[in-house]
Amino acid sequence: QQQVKQSPQSLIVQKGGISIINCAYENTAFDYFPWYQQFPGKGPALLIAIRPDVSEKKEGRFTISFNKSAKQFSLHIMDSQPGDSATYFCAATGAGSYQLTFGKGTKLSVIP
Amino acid sequence: GAGVSQSPSNKVTEKGKDVELRCDPISGHTALYWYRQSLGQGLEFLIYFQGNSAPDKSGLPSDRFSAERTGGSVSTLTIQRTQQEDSAVYLCASSLVGGSVNEQFFGPGTRLTVL
Repeated sequence: QQQVKQSPQSLIVQKGGISIINCAYENTAFDYFPWYQQFPGKGPALLIAIRPDVSEKKEGRFTISFNKSAKQFSLHIMDSQPGDSATYFCAATGAGSYQLTFGKGTKLSVIP
Repeated sequence: GAGVSQSPSNKVTEKGKDVELRCDPISGHTALYWYRQSLGQGLEFLIYFQGNSAPDKSGLPSDRFSAERTGGSVSTLTIQRTQQEDSAVYLCASSLVGGSVNEQFFGPGTRLTVL
């Protein structure tokens, strides 16, 4: 059972454009939603995270939007740059849990 | 180095052989996690160590997989009688304390190829 569904699988965006990646979850016990960025040959690194008590969190060019009623959250990358080209994973976990449940990832390519 | 290190970076083995993958967590981190990343898939949780507590092995896919953590630091993931479906990148992560809301720092992974 896939508890976190991520889309699209791949995304091509022009430099300066907005990249949007969506995730949906099923488990209502989830209460922490991080996004990870992974470059080829590297391990994933935490990018930004949100809790469901807020609907949006922004850090620089990266914004998470959260819709608790729809059980959906998304990552927006403003002014996308070629250096943002990487695979992005959404994840979710519940209170007190140590297990992160990951989406399948989105490969983002930002073309000049 | 200050990060999580893993060795080897690549491992090619023949079906039926045993392999050992090593993880050196960040010094002082009490929690250690192993994940498997198959092509086109997300990260699949395998096992979790927290201090000296018994590990959570609930994610291990079969009894061919085992892991240990010696002295609360270095961890070894062992796969016995490897199968082609074991081919994947095996990632190790550590965090200061247990609980996934504590940032997990990932190593670069070991790419395992079973021929």
